[in-house]
Amino acid sequence: GESVGLHLPTLSVQEGDNSIINCAYSNSASDYFIWYKQESGKGPQFIIDIRSNMDKRQGQRVTVLLNKTVKHLSLQIAATQPGDSAVYFCAERTGANSKLTFGKGITLSVRP
Amino acid sequence: GAVVSQHPSRVICKSGTSVKIECRSLDFQATTMFWYRQFPKQSLMLMATSNEGSKATYEQGVEKDKFLINHASLTLSTLTVTSAHPEDSSFYICSARTGREKLFFGSGTQLSVL
Repeated sequence: GESVGLHLPTLSVQEGDNSIINCAYSNSASDYFIWYKQESGKGPQFIIDIRSNMDKRQGQRVTVLLNKTVKHLSLQIAATQPGDSAVYFCAERTGANSKLTFGKGITLSVRP
Repeated sequence: GAVVSQHPSRVICKSGTSVKIECRSLDFQATTMFWYRQFPKQSLMLMATSNEGSKATYEQGVEKDKFLINHASLTLSTLTVTSAHPEDSSFYICSARTGREKLFFGSGTQLSVL
C-alpha cells in the first residue's frame, strides 16, 4: 500500500552544524507535504510546507526540498540549536480535502 | 499561526468511566477537525475526521461507539472515550484545518486509564 516513511530513526548532530532529515514517500499522486516538529508530551508544531509544483522552499533556518522523481522529501535545518531537539515527522496529502498521512518520525538529538 | 486549544492536557481515570476531550480553534473557524492517537515513540494515527454539523468519519478499525466525536460548532470538537479501559491509555491529539491547507494541532491529551 501507499506509505510515507523515514530513512533513519535517529539523528545526532553537533550544535551549530546543519541537519538534514530525509523522508521517502510512495504515493506519486501526493500534492502537498508538511514537516512537523514534536517535542515530548506536546502536539506537532508546523515547520514548513511545500506543494508538489515546487522543488524548494525556504523558511527561517529551515529549507524543504522535494524531489518528485525519486519521491524524496528532506528538511534542512541550518545552525542546529539545542532547541531543535525533537521528533520530526513528514506528512503527505493527496488532494485538497484528503487526510494527511504521517511518516514514522525521526528523533533529532543536538549535542552541545 | 492559528491556535488550537486542547483540554485537558492530562487525565487519569478509572476503568469503566468515560472521558471527554475538547478541541477548540481559538482564532479561526474550523469546518474540519481531526483526531489522532499516538503511542509512545510512534507516529500519529488518524482516528476520525470531524466535520461541523455532520457525523464524523472514522478510520478503519476505530470503534465509533467507543470514541464518540461531536463537532457542534465551527470552533469546537469533542472526543469522548466511553467506558475507558487500560488499553485506551494513549496520547490523543486534535487538529484543525483553516480555510487554507495548513493543519494546526492541539497540545495533546495524555489519557491514563487505571
